[in-house]
Amino acid sequence: GESVGLHLPTLSVQEGDNSIINCAYSNSASDYFIWYKQESGKGPQFIIDIRSNMDKRQGQRVTVLLNKTVKHLSLQIAATQPGDSAVYFCAERSGYNKLIFGAGTRLAVHP
Amino acid sequence: KAGVTQTPRYLIKTRGQQVTLSCSPISGHRSVSWYQQTPGQGLQFLFEYFSETQRNKGNFPGRFSGRQFSNSRSEMNVSTLELGDSALYLCASSLGEHAEQFFGPGTRLTVL
Repeated sequence: GESVGLHLPTLSVQEGDNSIINCAYSNSASDYFIWYKQESGKGPQFIIDIRSNMDKRQGQRVTVLLNKTVKHLSLQIAATQPGDSAVYFCAERSGYNKLIFGAGTRLAVHP
Repeated sequence: KAGVTQTPRYLIKTRGQQVTLSCSPISGHRSVSWYQQTPGQGLQFLFEYFSETQRNKGNFPGRFSGRQFSNSRSEMNVSTLELGDSALYLCASSLGEHAEQFFGPGTRLTVL
């Protein structure tokens, strides 16, 4: 498959463990944040989003936490599965549908 | 419902040539955004179109341009290709502002 990023930080976890992926954002005025998952050979896929008036949002097996004080986002994945192996990006929206992406983190799930 | 489609999926060009990439958004989506993805720079915003108007532009040279047609399909053009333009070019569509963006699979451009 195509390489998304050759030198991304990698988080290695055992299948069944919980994963936490962190991200720092740049603009304190940003009001909307999204987590994307990108598998090899595919475009980014929406996972979960959060608005700046919230601290936490939960989805199916995923939770996003937002700390506006330190401009930090985290994505928690419960009971990580091999299918969760991918590169994960956080993004902040700036202006008309302009997304500013973080560098990405590669998640490797081992059986 | 069909997803975002991009053509071609792979393209090889030589320096100095120009290239046109195409994006067909999800039916009903009027906003189309383009991104460049490289291992070194990550995902970077190129521009966004809504109802045939460019509303936002990233920090790329004028060699990068785009347009949107009345059916919301979009094209981007890169002229005078450089080696550094080798990248995965991604298109995303959405219903409008503040709506979820759906990405296509991308066009892998290699400049030799």
